[in-house]
Amino acid sequence: QKEVEQDPGPLSVPEGAIVSLNCTYSNSAFQYFMWYRQYSRKGPELLMYTYSSGNKEDGRFTAQVDKSSKYISLFIRDSQPSDSATYLCAMNPGGGADGLTFGKGTHLIIQP
Amino acid sequence: DVKVTQSSRYLVKRTGEKVFLECVQDMDHENMFWYRQDPGLGLRLIYFSYDVKMKEKGDIPEGYSVSREKKERFSLILESASTNQTSMYLCASSLYNYGYTFGSGTRLTVV
Repeated sequence: QKEVEQDPGPLSVPEGAIVSLNCTYSNSAFQYFMWYRQYSRKGPELLMYTYSSGNKEDGRFTAQVDKSSKYISLFIRDSQPSDSATYLCAMNPGGGADGLTFGKGTHLIIQP
Repeated sequence: DVKVTQSSRYLVKRTGEKVFLECVQDMDHENMFWYRQDPGLGLRLIYFSYDVKMKEKGDIPEGYSVSREKKERFSLILESASTNQTSMYLCASSLYNYGYTFGSGTRLTVV
């Protein structure tokens, strides 16, 4: 079983729709959870991070972590064509700078 | 705005060559990382460093080495390039366990 599972997509939705992106993981030691957005031929950029379980909202984006189910989600409201990108979940146990474990990314397409 | 700069966007090298990929950050971050990104495999950690002259192996260190002589600079070295090292290489830096800042990547082709 892979440490972090993420559906690669592509996921295609019409403009204005609510988008749900998800990851599951197996390592119960993970404490820090992040979502990155990567445009074509660019490096990933951090969208949101969450420590432990709970929700966090930032504008049109909401991140949720359910540690009991080992499941994290990113919701995008009022999706825009500019949101079209690959979204990567990432996580680590914390307590040291030992790198992130990434999902493989979901390719999202917002149709105008 | 904080920045991680990778010296080359595209590189083409021959099999057996020694290859240097350079990364510089201007954020005074302690931690620096090298990942490679491949279709279907995602991002995989090659090496990381949490201090000058310190280095730690990541998940796939074979065929690579690193150098960190100054806090702001972290170099990835391919000792003898092979075709299976054709990939996108991403450098990142961080101050904490989250909030990694990535460079734009170097697309390396080994022929």
